[in-house]
Amino acid sequence: DAGVIQSPRHEVTEMGQEVTLRCKPISGHDYLFWYRQTMMRGLELLIYFNNNVPIDDSGMPEDRFSAKMPNASFSTLKIQPSEPRDSAVYFCASSLALNTDTQYFGPGTRLTVL
Amino acid sequence: DQQVKQNSPSLSVQEGRISILNCDYTNSMFDYFLWYKKYPAEGPTFLISISSIKDKNEDGRFTVFLNKSAKHLSLHIVPSQPGDSAVYFCAASAYGNKLVFGAGTILRVKS
Repeated sequence: DAGVIQSPRHEVTEMGQEVTLRCKPISGHDYLFWYRQTMMRGLELLIYFNNNVPIDDSGMPEDRFSAKMPNASFSTLKIQPSEPRDSAVYFCASSLALNTDTQYFGPGTRLTVL
Repeated sequence: DQQVKQNSPSLSVQEGRISILNCDYTNSMFDYFLWYKKYPAEGPTFLISISSIKDKNEDGRFTVFLNKSAKHLSLHIVPSQPGDSAVYFCAASAYGNKLVFGAGTILRVKS
């Protein structure tokens, strides 16, 4: 298996633009997670899905952020409109279970909002 | 409110010596703890874990210690190698719930 795939790896955009980050989880994994890493807050969970259904979006910072999982092999995280404080590395991860050591992370998308 | 805290942003250790990374938590319901390791431009990868029924778990050069009364866990790397230089994240969960991560500690092992 190729592991968790994220695209793009780097995104530079201007404030106010829409940004869409994409993730393909490992086949057969029932859980998909979106995390954000910043220097100040470390690794924060934004939202996670179970069998394509959003379960907990309490970490989504505000209404400008939205996430979807239309099928078992694809998820998106959208920011509209983007702001400079959204600049961070966004990780997607997938797993068979919710809290065990089998959470596999993608390489991340480094987002820079100018 | 950060439930999992890694108070040392960075640590520098000489090759061959012991590296000790610390993590404190506030939620007494946490019953499962993990350490993840992250290299630059890569996602975090699982390193080692421990259940609250244990106070120590060892895997090769890596040992995790859990002190439930102090709500503290630590990761020991002996001996440290230059390839261990990375960011280390502590994480915890309560009764099968989602993982909560700390802010990470940058470890630099000097040769």
